[in-house]
Amino acid sequence: QQQVKQSPQSLIVQKGGISIINCAYENTAFDYFPWYQQFPGKGPALLIAIRPDVSEKKEGRFTISFNKSAKQFSLHIMDSQPGDSATYFCAASSLDSNYQLIWGAGTKLIIKP
Amino acid sequence: EPEVTQTPSHQVTQMGQEVILRCVPISNHLYFYWYRQILGQKVEFLVSFYNNEISEKSEIFDDQFSVERPDGSNFTLKIRSTKLEDSAMYFCASRRDRGNEKLFFGSGTQLSVL
Repeated sequence: QQQVKQSPQSLIVQKGGISIINCAYENTAFDYFPWYQQFPGKGPALLIAIRPDVSEKKEGRFTISFNKSAKQFSLHIMDSQPGDSATYFCAASSLDSNYQLIWGAGTKLIIKP
Repeated sequence: EPEVTQTPSHQVTQMGQEVILRCVPISNHLYFYWYRQILGQKVEFLVSFYNNEISEKSEIFDDQFSVERPDGSNFTLKIRSTKLEDSAMYFCASRRDRGNEKLFFGSGTQLSVL
């Protein structure tokens, strides 16, 4: 019940295309869903996050779509750029668990010029 | 912009030796965490710390591990007797307060146990 399942494991997208990464969860107590971006040798950096009271959140080229009934959420990167090449992790947490993050397995995204 | 800082960036040690990984969380943050990431795998929760005590720990965080906030600014992770399987990137993270869910991570310490 504590798992967050992320797919795909790796993704190659042409520059200018849309990158889509999906996550699914089971624990309905989760109330915070962040996406982290990690470059090699660096720590994860918070990219964008959503709470279950909204179905979509957009920040620049990054959008989270959230489907509460399906217990799924996804990250969309519009107009993908080579600089977006990184590993992306979805995660979930709740106030009850002190916002201890439960992580997805990660998606290695490569944007081809 | 304030950030979480970790030292050293790389640590090489012999199996059975003790190591201490150091972190300076963001100054007005109250909740502190250690996570680890074995190469190519997902990030795993180790322990959370609040008000000078452990608030939660995972099954990875056994008796060989301990955490301490010795002086009000540093937050350390000690591994008493390192094993080969402790080789990983260790990340410290901090969060401002109970109602604020944003977690900020340091750049990590790459621990290699030989």
